[in-house]
Amino acid sequence: AQTVTQSQPEMSVQEAETVTLSCTYDTSESNYYLFWYKQPPSRQMILVIRQEAYKQQNATENRFSVNFQKAAKSFSLKISDSQLGDTAMYFCVFMNSNSGYALNFGKGTSLLVTP
Amino acid sequence: DTGVSQDPRHKITKRGQNVTFRCDPISEHNRLYWYRQTLGQGPEFLTYFQNEAQLEKSRLLSDRFSAERPKGSFSTLEIQRTEQGDSAMYLCASLGVGETQYFGPGTRLLVL
Repeated sequence: AQTVTQSQPEMSVQEAETVTLSCTYDTSESNYYLFWYKQPPSRQMILVIRQEAYKQQNATENRFSVNFQKAAKSFSLKISDSQLGDTAMYFCVFMNSNSGYALNFGKGTSLLVTP
Repeated sequence: DTGVSQDPRHKITKRGQNVTFRCDPISEHNRLYWYRQTLGQGPEFLTYFQNEAQLEKSRLLSDRFSAERPKGSFSTLEIQRTEQGDSAMYLCASLGVGETQYFGPGTRLLVL
């Protein structure tokens, strides 16, 4: 079974600064997907960024980018120019076809962006 | 694109009662997933459907939990004889392009 570990339960960053959220995972599969989802307080889960394991190039979406290290089974999220609206719980998520594309979530990192 | 919708958004019930939640996925999405999220935790997978077929249900938490998707469109999740430990957020998601799941707002259940 795959496990996803987020070792930072809480983090804080000042507005306009950069922050990196860590994630490691364990799998014996070679083909899989990794995601970061964001869950703002009392709001629904939304996708931040996705990475396909066969792609060596790190995914980027505007201010969000990942550092995907397949051999190390590491998948960190970097948020640049942090904004107050980035305050949320961030989940690192593993998925592959063997589980019917069901998502396997880490425990989450609560990020607070302060003025 | 109206997104994934869930009904009700909140449910308060007494222990021992049955509850049913509904999920309407994005219309063109064939796969639909149910998750449970307890306070301070990441969601855990419960079950999923490909059209009307339930392809995985071994992860349902007990035989008190059941799900259906009779016409391959909306889905229902039922919990019979609710217990206080069933209090949680129940999330529904549908699978779209690029193997990305889109989530509904969830149904928050409180069992008294």
